[in-house]
Amino acid sequence: AQSVTQLGSHVSVSEGALVLLRCNYSSSVPPYLFWYVQYPNQGLQLLLKYTSAATLVKGINGFEAEFKKSETSFHLTKPSAHMSDAAEYFCAVSEGGGADGLTFGKGTHLIIQP
Amino acid sequence: GAGVSQTPSNKVTEKGKYVELRCDPISGHTALYWYRQSLGQGPEFLIYFQGTGAADDSGLPNDRFFAVRPEGSVSTLKIQRTERGDSAVYLCASSLTGTPTDTQYFGPGTRLTVL
Repeated sequence: AQSVTQLGSHVSVSEGALVLLRCNYSSSVPPYLFWYVQYPNQGLQLLLKYTSAATLVKGINGFEAEFKKSETSFHLTKPSAHMSDAAEYFCAVSEGGGADGLTFGKGTHLIIQP
Repeated sequence: GAGVSQTPSNKVTEKGKYVELRCDPISGHTALYWYRQSLGQGPEFLIYFQGTGAADDSGLPNDRFFAVRPEGSVSTLKIQRTERGDSAVYLCASSLTGTPTDTQYFGPGTRLTVL
C-alpha cells in the first residue's frame, strides 16, 4: 500500500528565505508524485507533478521538487519565499495499476514571517 | 473555462438525516473523484468514476455512503443516516482521462456539519 509522510505540520520561514517542505513516500511500484497547494478558502491547486520523466520538476510560482528514488523523497523547494506563498501544502502519491485515487499526506502549513 | 463546481458550499444537518452533495466536473473530463478532508488531515480518497461507472469505490467508509454519476457528467454523493463523524469537507475532482499521471482538478468543496 502506498503512503505519504510530510515532516513538519508547520514550517515558518522569513520572507526571501529558502522554502523546504519535506515529503517521503512509500510505494510498492514506481510512483507518480504530486504537490498541491491550498490557499485559505480556496480549492486544491496543482503545483507540480513527477511522472517518471525528468527527476527535477519545475512547477508554478517558482516552486520545484526533486524525485530521489534512493531516499524515497520528493521535497518541495523555492529559493525565495514570498508572503503570498503562505498556504497549506500537500504531497500526494499515485501508483496506478488499479489504485486510482491519490493518497495524500497530512499537509504542511507554510508560514511566512515578514 | 469553468472549473469544478460543488453545491452546496456548506451543509448543516442533524444526526440521522440524509444528505446529497453535488459535483459538476470540468466539461469533457471522463474521470471524477470524491475525497473527504477532515480537520487537520489531507484529503482521503472515497470513490472514482470512469464515465458512468464506479471504477473504484474502495474508499467509501461504509454502506451509508453511495455515489452516482448517471450520465457521465454530474455526480452526487449520498450519505444516509448521517453521524457526527461524517462532518468534514467533501472534495470533488475531475481529470481528462483518469490515467494515474493525469492532473486532478479540485472543486472548492462542500463543508458538511452534522449536529
